[in-house]
Amino acid sequence: SQQGEEDPQALSIQEGENATMNCSYKTSINNLQWYRQNSGRGLVHLILIRSNEREKHSGRLRVTLDTSKKSSSLLITASRAADTASYFCATETGRRALTFGSGTRLQVQP
Amino acid sequence: DAGITQSPRHKVTETGTPVTLRCHQTENHRYMYWYRQDPGHGLRLIHYSYGVKDTDKGEVSDGYSVSRSKTEDFLLTLESATSSQTSVYFCAISELTGDGTEAFFGQGTRLTVV
Repeated sequence: SQQGEEDPQALSIQEGENATMNCSYKTSINNLQWYRQNSGRGLVHLILIRSNEREKHSGRLRVTLDTSKKSSSLLITASRAADTASYFCATETGRRALTFGSGTRLQVQP
Repeated sequence: DAGITQSPRHKVTETGTPVTLRCHQTENHRYMYWYRQDPGHGLRLIHYSYGVKDTDKGEVSDGYSVSRSKTEDFLLTLESATSSQTSVYFCAISELTGDGTEAFFGQGTRLTVV
C-alpha cells in the first residue's frame, strides 16, 4: 500500500509559472521528504520537513505540512524548463526505509 | 550518486531464469535498500539491509532474496524471474542528517523478463 499519494498525477505549465504538487499520507510521521527524478535517472533528495514544522523553504522550493490533515504540498516558484521531472513525496518508516507516493509528472514548457 | 553503482544497467532475461542485480557503494554506509519502480506505483521497497548479514523484507519481497556478505555490496536475486518482475530496480543508501535521514539512489537497473 502507498503511504503517500500525489496529486495531480501530471501537471503541465509554462516557464515562469508556479507549480504546486500535493501529497497525502496515512500514518503518523517523523518527517516528510520530497524527491525529484529526471527521466531515466535515480531520485534526488530535494527537501525534508519535520513533523513539528509547518513550512520550509529552500531556494525556489516551498514545502508545507499539515499533520492534522496528513498532507503536504510542494511549491516550485518561477519554474524553468529544467524543472521538468517527476516529483515524489516520501515518509520515513522503520530502519530508515522510505515509503513513496506514486509521483507527479511535471512538464515545464519553454 | 553518493558512490553507488548498480550493475548491470540493463538486462533482458527469460522467464524462469535466475537473475542477480548488484549494488556497490564506496562510502561504508550501513543501511542499503532495494526498490522497484513501476508506472503508477512510485517506488516500492523490496528488501533492505542494516548491516553485514542483516537483512529484512520490505513491502514487495515475494520472489526476491538478498545477500550482504560485505558492507559495500548488496545483491538482489530473482530466484526464477517472472514477467511481473519486469521493472526498474533502484538501490539506495541512507545518511543521517540533522533533521532525519536522506536517501541517495543509484542510477537504476532496467530489467525486462520475456
